[in-house]
Amino acid sequence: AQSVTQPDIHITVSEGASLELRCNYSYGATPYLFWYVQSPGQGLQLLLKYFSGDTLVQGIKGFEAEFKRSQSSFNLRKPSVHWSDAAEYFCAAGGRNNDMRFGAGTRLTVKP
Amino acid sequence: DTGVSQNPRHKITKRGQNVTFRCDPISEHNRLYWYRQTLGQGPEFLTYFQNEAQLEKSRLLSDRFSAERPKGSFSTLEIQRTEQGDSAMYLCASSFRDSTNEKLFFGSGTQLSVL
Repeated sequence: AQSVTQPDIHITVSEGASLELRCNYSYGATPYLFWYVQSPGQGLQLLLKYFSGDTLVQGIKGFEAEFKRSQSSFNLRKPSVHWSDAAEYFCAAGGRNNDMRFGAGTRLTVKP
Repeated sequence: DTGVSQNPRHKITKRGQNVTFRCDPISEHNRLYWYRQTLGQGPEFLTYFQNEAQLEKSRLLSDRFSAERPKGSFSTLEIQRTEQGDSAMYLCASSFRDSTNEKLFFGSGTQLSVL
């Protein structure tokens, strides 16, 4: 079955520290992959997406993600976290004709 | 471009009542999605439209749920005989999909509380 797994429910990092949020997918073929961020009371905002080509994808707000086919992973990274990055982060995957599937989300807390 | 708009933002209803939500997508977008999100979970796919055609419905979508997109523009999601388990955030997203790309834009959602 198609699925997206985010193993970490909640992560806390100090401001200025690096961040990595994990995402694993299970699909019949390589899906399109996405990371979204959701702040309290806000809609989901796309951070970045991978369709094909370069496996290291740059997104907005200084985020990047790396697609690793061998590990079925698409982890999100940021070298230096800012307090405003505190939010819920969702990994999502979709096939060429299929709906999008979302992970359960990882809540990021940023310590001052 | 005013983004994806959803109305109402909040809806409180009694069990057994019918409710209807509206989604106005970004005007040139040909795809429209409905998702449901409960606390601590990611959005669950409910259904999507390509223009006015409803192409896929999730098994989560019981017979009490119906969605329409009559002219390929706005969409409505109706829940009949609401149950407490229907309480959730209902998200709408739209996109323009071609052969190489798709980017979803989400609305802020309609929060449904069934008492």
